[in-house]
This record gives sequence, C-alpha cells and structure tokens, in this order.
Amino acid sequence: ELKVEQNPLFLSMQEGKNYTIYCNYSTTSDRLYWYRQDPGKSLESLFVLLSNGAVKQEGRLMASLDTKARLSTLHITAAVHDLSATYFCAVDMTLDKIIFGKGTRLHILP
Amino acid sequence: DSGVTQTPKHLITATGQRVTLRCSPRSGDLSVYWYQQSLDQGLQFLIQYYNGEERAKGNILERFSAQQFPDLHSELNLSSLELGDSALYFCASHSPGQRNYGYTFGSGTRLTVV
Repeated sequence: ELKVEQNPLFLSMQEGKNYTIYCNYSTTSDRLYWYRQDPGKSLESLFVLLSNGAVKQEGRLMASLDTKARLSTLHITAAVHDLSATYFCAVDMTLDKIIFGKGTRLHILP
Repeated sequence: DSGVTQTPKHLITATGQRVTLRCSPRSGDLSVYWYQQSLDQGLQFLIQYYNGEERAKGNILERFSAQQFPDLHSELNLSSLELGDSALYFCASHSPGQRNYGYTFGSGTRLTVV
C-alpha cells in the first residue's frame, strides 16, 4: 500500500527565513501534486510535477520531484505571513486515486 | 470558484441519523472522488466513480455508500452516524485527459454529528 510521509508536520518560522518541506512516498509514481489549504477551506492546487527532475516555481514557493529517490520538496524562500497555511503533497498512483500526506502546518511569524 | 460544487456547506445532525452529501463535478470531468478530512486521520480517500461506475474504493465504512448519476453528479450517503463521522467531506473531479493538471476540489461539506 502506498504511504506518503511529510515532514515536518508542524513548522513555525520567522518571516524572511527559508525552509523546506519534504515528501517521501513508498512506491513508484511519476505524478505528484502540492496543495495548499487555509483553515476550514478547500484545497488549492499549487504545483503538478510530472516527471523526474521536474522543478516548478511560483513566487516564493518552489517544488521539485526526484522519482528515483521517491522524494519531493517544497522550498519556501524569504517567507511572508501570507504563506501561513497547511501544505499537502499527494501522490498519483493510477487514474483511480491520489493519496495525501498528513500535511505540514506552516505558521509564519511576523 | 473551482467549478466543483458541493452542497450543503454545513450539516449538523444527531447520532444514528442518515445524511446525503452532493457533488457536481467540473463541466466535462467524468471522475468524482470523495475524501474525508478529520483532525486525527488527515485526508482519507473514500471512493471514486468514473462516468457512473465505481472505479476504486478506499477506507470507506460499510455505513457509507455513494453513487454517480447519469448527469455525472455524485452523492455520498452516510448512515447510522456516529460522533466520529464528524469531518469535512470533499469531492474532487478531473478527466483523464486533464490528469496533468491535477484534481480540482470542491469547497467541502462540514458534517457535525451531535
């Protein structure tokens, strides 16, 4: 059974700092998604990573995928308060479903 | 607006009761996925339908059932409700040809069982 592990699960950081969230998964996949969720809200798609070595950037967020290591990272550069949210990675095994990690709750202190 | 519509947004009901959650997928999407989000279990995949047919099952309890209708909307039925069923229930949709664009989620139904 596919397992998706994120770490850390909680992260409190100062504005202006850099940090990385890690997402490991247990079986082969070539599609990985990152979502953002604000409290009580829906999931907003951030990145879709489709192949080994894929790197995508949007503003202060950059995501990468290493399918050989079964690892994806979400890097935050010079964090700002507006980035406070919970971030999920999700691995797409087949057309049948995607499996989510437990999420990383990010709190950025002003 | 993501294009995936879920109703109702909030539902409060008593233990032992039965409720129906509704999801209309984004226009053109044939697949509907249901997820349950609770504080302790995270986002759990429940079930998937594709063009009216059940395609995959996850951690869905026997008290729960779902279906997808010819117009592609889906309903999730939860019966004999327990306090532990209180959660956010999301549906998501996509089409096979749009897989590279990810899955689109609705705004969810918050179910509170009292």
